Parts: sequence; C-alpha cells; structure tokens
Amino acid sequence: DAKTTQPNSMESNEEEPVHLPCNHSTISGTDYIHWYRQLPSQGPEYVIHGLTSNVNNRMASLAIAEDRKSSTLILHRATLRDAAVYYCILRDRGTGNQFYFGTGTSLTVIP
Amino acid sequence: GAGVSQSPRYKVAKRGQDVALRCDPISGHVSLFWYQQALGQGPEFLTYFQNEAQLDKSGLPSDRFFAERPEGSVSTLKIQRTQQEDSAVYLCASSLGSLTGSVRNTEAFFGQGTRLTVV
Repeated sequence: DAKTTQPNSMESNEEEPVHLPCNHSTISGTDYIHWYRQLPSQGPEYVIHGLTSNVNNRMASLAIAEDRKSSTLILHRATLRDAAVYYCILRDRGTGNQFYFGTGTSLTVIP
Repeated sequence: GAGVSQSPRYKVAKRGQDVALRCDPISGHVSLFWYQQALGQGPEFLTYFQNEAQLDKSGLPSDRFFAERPEGSVSTLKIQRTQQEDSAVYLCASSLGSLTGSVRNTEAFFGQGTRLTVV
C-alpha cells in the first residue's frame, strides 16, 4: 500500500487558517486521498476526500497537487474543537476497502 | 442508534483470560472493519467484512484473534488467552459501500472503541 508522510505535530492560533501537509510520492492512479481526524478518546471521523481536483466541504478544503504526490488539508478558521490528530490516508478502490493509517499530525490550537 | 456502537467501553482482563468485544454497526452498512490502536499510535487494520463474509483478515496479529459477523450486522472480536501486548483500544468502523460501490458511499464511521487493559 502506498505510504503517506505527515509532520508529527503542528500548532495554530485560534481563528487562523491551518494548512496540514501530506506527502504521498508513491500514489497510484487509482488511489483516493482521504483525511480523517481523531479527537481525544474518540474514534476517527471522516473529514474529506478527493482524487484529482480540489474539494471543499463544510469542514475543510483539500488541495491536491497537480502531480498528486502531495496534498494539503485546509481548515479555514481553526477552533479549539479542531485540536486532534489528522490522518492522511490513501485508499485504493480497486483492491480493497481497508484504511491504512500512519501516525498522523497532532494539531494544537492555541487560544 | 445513529452511530457505530461498541461495548464494553472499557475492559480489564487478567493475562490468559478470553475476551469478546462487540460492535453494532450502522444499520444497512455492508462493510465492517476492526482496528487496533496502541497508545500514541495510529489505528492498525485487523480485519474486514463485507456482509457476513470475512474478506480480509491479514491484520490479525495471531491465531488468538478471531472475528465474526454471522448475520452480516453485529460483529464480535474475540481474543483468546490475552497477553499484555494485546492492551490497546479496539476500534470498529462501518461503511455503506462495498468493493464495487461508489466512493461516496465508502466513508467509514468509527465507534468510540473498547479500551482493553490486560494485567
């Protein structure tokens, strides 16, 4: 399975935008890029996913590089409730439904 | 309920004891996953069901781990002769889609997990 690389931790001030990077240089053409986040003592929750084009939803935006070897999750205005571990995951529709998590990025939001 | 429900939330087992962890997925969800999450680590895939069929059990760490979903809804993860290294949070997730379904339907919903401590 293709691997992803994320910074271990990041900090952001409340009310400011946050850009969480993810490298996936070995991504294949059929891999979708998914983002999940895990709040303390909770199970992971879906944030957003995309294939080639940038995506927006009520939670966040996903910017995907033209060569698809990297992507960035954008939280437009960080709140204290956004403090969580964010996981960037590649998921191949063609071979299975499993999610392979890495160690993720632990986001701290400073009030 | 509206979400994935797992029980118990917490389980303390003596080393060597057998345990059974239950997962109630969202009604109608075809896919069900089990994950193991050690402290400070990301979730590690254990096994995957499509309805009652266990299509992938490649992540089960040993033959002490066994999972079933006999009627295609509720699933049970059983660990026999528990060891201290089995201490972890066990997460269950379900999704609407299947291997050939729309990606839109493959968003996974996770339960809060069962924290297993083996003493």
